[in-house]
Amino acid sequence: DIEMTQSPSSLSASVGDRVTITCRASHDISNYLNWYQQKPGKAPKLLIYDASNLETGVPSRFSGSGSGTDFTFTIISLQPEDIATYYCQHYDSLPPTFGQGTKLEI
Amino acid sequence: QVQMVESGGGVVQPGRSLRLSCAASGFTLSVHSMHWVRQTPGKGLEWVAVISYDGGNKYHADSVKGRFTISRDNSKNTLYLEMNRLRPDDTAVYYCARGTSGIVTPGMDVWGQGTTVAVSS
Repeated sequence: DIEMTQSPSSLSASVGDRVTITCRASHDISNYLNWYQQKPGKAPKLLIYDASNLETGVPSRFSGSGSGTDFTFTIISLQPEDIATYYCQHYDSLPPTFGQGTKLEI
Repeated sequence: QVQMVESGGGVVQPGRSLRLSCAASGFTLSVHSMHWVRQTPGKGLEWVAVISYDGGNKYHADSVKGRFTISRDNSKNTLYLEMNRLRPDDTAVYYCARGTSGIVTPGMDVWGQGTTVAVSS
């Protein structure tokens, strides 16, 4: 199985800050990477697919980059409603696996 | 809008069985593969199973192989997860998720709201 290592596990930031989360795959996954946002008691919501494509309706302050084994997720200007846990997930092969999550706090 | 609603969760004793359902609306279920994914505080998000658009191909995680079975009824717009010989470490929130293709692929996009399964004596 491909292991996804996400960092940091938690992050404290202020409104307006630029926030960056990294995800590393144990094998080359090309650009087969999703980023999700999960708020307490809710299901994960897809924000970014194919490593860098913004899902319809997702604000443009969210972005993703990378390919191969190293990926980055960025929030350009943090908003209060962005408080959540963020996960990366590869879909290069079965089984798809997830990073352990980054809990974002203000 | 695209929506999936899971049901069937609850508290069950070890060794017993449970069947989860996922009712889909707002899209044509019969052209999509479908997944089950579970989440625990300790192990995070774990993929459980996937089924092709027509039910002809199914894959299960090693942790549930031989105990859980994914199935679907496209005429009812519903996905199922039959869970047998349940163990305490199956305790989790179970989500259904829509696949991004009709054939079995690891990609998924929209998730249901989840149903909680607790395995305890």
